Amino acid sequence: DGGITQSPKYLFRKEGQNVTLSCEQNLNHDAMYWYRQDPGQGLRLIYYSQIVNDFQKGDIAEGYSVSREKKESFPLTVTSAQKNPTAFYLCASISWNYGYTFGSGTRLTVV
Amino acid sequence: ILNVEQSPQSLHVQEGDSTNFTCSFPSSNFYALHWYRWETAKSPEALFVMTLNGDEKKKGRISATLNTKEGYSYLYIKGSQPEDSATYLCAPRENAGNMLTFGGGTRLMVKP
Repeated sequence: DGGITQSPKYLFRKEGQNVTLSCEQNLNHDAMYWYRQDPGQGLRLIYYSQIVNDFQKGDIAEGYSVSREKKESFPLTVTSAQKNPTAFYLCASISWNYGYTFGSGTRLTVV
Repeated sequence: ILNVEQSPQSLHVQEGDSTNFTCSFPSSNFYALHWYRWETAKSPEALFVMTLNGDEKKKGRISATLNTKEGYSYLYIKGSQPEDSATYLCAPRENAGNMLTFGGGTRLMVKP
């Protein structure tokens, strides 16, 4: 079945540590997105990529970095510069007719 | 950043009640409106993609209407069931781009 796979499901980060969240899709979608959700809030866009080797900052890109070396993969690194990284992270890709397909998310907690 | 507002923020209803909630968005440069249903511990699931003013879509007991001129959409649930408990997100799309901007969602809780 086609879809988006995010891993890990739960991730714990120590202060000052960089961590990378994985997002892989086999839908052959060009565009991929990373969103963050905080309790009681909607989804906020971190980064997006329309094509391989190209990506753009979203509304809250500070403290995050991404790469898009392959069409299938769009990993997100949460750097030590991100002061409040505890949140739920969703990856998505889009088809023109059906909108976004989402992964199952990664819950990141700072310990 | 598009200003997308959903109301109410949360809603508690009894099983069997019908309910509706609102999504407001800028009407300029409108291209499409997406509705998603997001159950706890699952991925958001696409409900509807709406493009035309006056559009009405239906999926089982859930339906939606769209007014692009005034910039709002209503989502209706007829005879709510406990399994309808979820957060309902709307997301407009501008022009022919593929960027969605999400509202804060309406969290629906249906008591048996």
